[in-house]
Amino acid sequence: GENVEQHPSTLSVQEGDSAVIKCTYSDSASNYFPWYKQELGKRPQLIIDIRSNVGEKKDQRIAVTLNKTAKHFSLHITETQPEDSAVYFCAASGNYGQNFVFGPGTRLSVLP
Amino acid sequence: EPEVTQTPSHQVTQMGQEVILRCVPISNHLYFYWYRQILGQKVEFLVSFYNNEISEKSEIFDDQFSVERPDGSNFTLKIRSTKLEDSAMYFCASSERGGLFFGSGTQLSVL
Repeated sequence: GENVEQHPSTLSVQEGDSAVIKCTYSDSASNYFPWYKQELGKRPQLIIDIRSNVGEKKDQRIAVTLNKTAKHFSLHITETQPEDSAVYFCAASGNYGQNFVFGPGTRLSVLP
Repeated sequence: EPEVTQTPSHQVTQMGQEVILRCVPISNHLYFYWYRQILGQKVEFLVSFYNNEISEKSEIFDDQFSVERPDGSNFTLKIRSTKLEDSAMYFCASSERGGLFFGSGTQLSVL
């Protein structure tokens, strides 16, 4: 089955700097890659996603890139702010209704 | 904005008891899921449900667990004979044809 790895497990950046989180997946049939942000004690919230027919997608300060050949995808956050501090999870999924496999998470701390 | 709702927010039970966790998915969504998250760990898949039947389940989802969609809106997870290691946050999620939208979770504590 699918296996998703995520690095780093923790990341500290200064406010205003960029943060990059990387994920790899194992199943070449996976074709949908969402990213979730989870604040302490709250539900994971979808922040951006990308499908396998696209190499890059951007939404304001966040962007996601996908390299299907290498089976890896990354989350980029620019101009980080303290409110970006949270745990970020990547995930991979295949056809509609199939299981979403989550990475182990990255705890991002943005230092003022 | 439509949301997935879950009840109760907290559930405390004695080991060996049965619990039912309830969820109301977003109304036009077709796919429903249960995930669980042990404190500080990753989100683990339990089961997915589509067209009134289970479409996929994980190794965790054994005979102790069952899901139902008893009417047009509710989606329930039943855990029989609870064990200490079942203590976790249980998230319901629904999806139309894209990302998962999670409920706020039920924190289950088995004593």
